[in-house]
Amino acid sequence: QQPVQSPQAVILREGEDAVINCSSSKALYSVHWYRQKHGEAPVFLMILLKGGEQKGHDKISASFNEKKQQSSLYLTASQLSYSGTYFCGTEANTGNQFYFGTGTSLTVIP
Amino acid sequence: DGGITQSPKYLFRKEGQNVTLSCEQNLNHDAMYWYRQDPGQGLRLIYYSQIVNDFQKGDIAEGYSVSREKKESFPLTVTSAQKNPTAFYLCASSAGTGEYEQYFGPGTRLTVT
Repeated sequence: QQPVQSPQAVILREGEDAVINCSSSKALYSVHWYRQKHGEAPVFLMILLKGGEQKGHDKISASFNEKKQQSSLYLTASQLSYSGTYFCGTEANTGNQFYFGTGTSLTVIP
Repeated sequence: DGGITQSPKYLFRKEGQNVTLSCEQNLNHDAMYWYRQDPGQGLRLIYYSQIVNDFQKGDIAEGYSVSREKKESFPLTVTSAQKNPTAFYLCASSAGTGEYEQYFGPGTRLTVT
């Protein structure tokens, strides 16, 4: 029931764009996105709810395709501070248990 | 200043000993969670609680126990039955389930030798 993320890892140069995908085998109620720096706790980025929506702040945005049971995180004009591991988290329509995805390591280089 | 605290930050134990990790929140959140993270891996749910005096097992509950006697506190005990206890343990809380963000504590790095 753990959502699958792709790619597993990506390296970008400053200013480049990236897309991280999160797919679930279950119909979803919500999708969360978090970023974790090495040795630190995950930090919340955004939540998308059932009904299909897009959200964004600054140069980071996300979409939620309910029919496809997947979400994508878009990072545009990447900055060095974007480096870290990105996790999606999902709650299915059928229950309250929350699952984090497999993670995507993103490295931004000068 | 609201938040979640976990203590200690680093913990060392000998094999065969039980150890309890502390998690306290002053955010007035109903839901609390314990996750385990191994190097280079994602977060796996150990236990979660949506209300005082109630908790549910996550995917990897074997060898762990919890209690939720107070809204603010959700301690995790790593028992000697846990085969590979060395890991980074993260506690989180949220105002509810799915539609509420989770706030994480700084984590406890447990090493068992």
